Amino acid sequence: QVQLVESGGGLVKPGGSLRLSCAASGFTFSDYYMNWIRQAPGKGLEWVSYISTSGDSIYYADSVKGRFTISRDNAKNSLYLQMNSLTAADTAVYFCARIIPSGNWFDPWGQGTLVTVSS
Amino acid sequence: DIQMTQSPSSVSASVGDRVTITCRASHGISSWLAWYQQKPGKAPKLLIYAASSLQSGVPSRFSGSGSGTDFTLTISSLQPEDFATYYCQQANSLPWTFGQGTKVAIK
Repeated sequence: QVQLVESGGGLVKPGGSLRLSCAASGFTFSDYYMNWIRQAPGKGLEWVSYISTSGDSIYYADSVKGRFTISRDNAKNSLYLQMNSLTAADTAVYFCARIIPSGNWFDPWGQGTLVTVSS
Repeated sequence: DIQMTQSPSSVSASVGDRVTITCRASHGISSWLAWYQQKPGKAPKLLIYAASSLQSGVPSRFSGSGSGTDFTLTISSLQPEDFATYYCQQANSLPWTFGQGTKVAIK
């Protein structure tokens, strides 16, 4: 079955860096656009970043532009998010999600990985 | 950016009730709208896309309607497993944005 599994979350100090990974299985990863979406504790959903199938088209939310870098390795069926210059405002559960080809809808989502930025 | 506003923020309902949640976009988005269900500690799940299309495997008691700026998610007969938080999402233009969520709680 289609599955996305995130990893790499944890506790990091303000100003630090972290790299998240998302392992995909059950579908042809290279055929799908992928995203990172986050949710701060007790809050709503915020789209973070998007990458096209080949990686030649990338977009970021203004809140992370210049600090976060999305990438993918189609040979490894994996999506990544490199996060630098982290602040407390980046504390959230980070989900990876596939885009359905018929439109910009997210399905499925991974289970999420928690990133906590605190001294 | 397109702002998405849901109402109400929370609703208390009983099993069997009809529940309606509204989502309003700050600019017209045609039918580029999705609805998601999220249960505590879980990832969101796609229910409705293109404003009114039911995602495969989603019960038919869920329905969506609307276009332009005003949209509605309706649960025709609330079931115990439907108690959750619901989010709308505009897919018309980047950055894709979500409503603030509507929590459906047990009355």
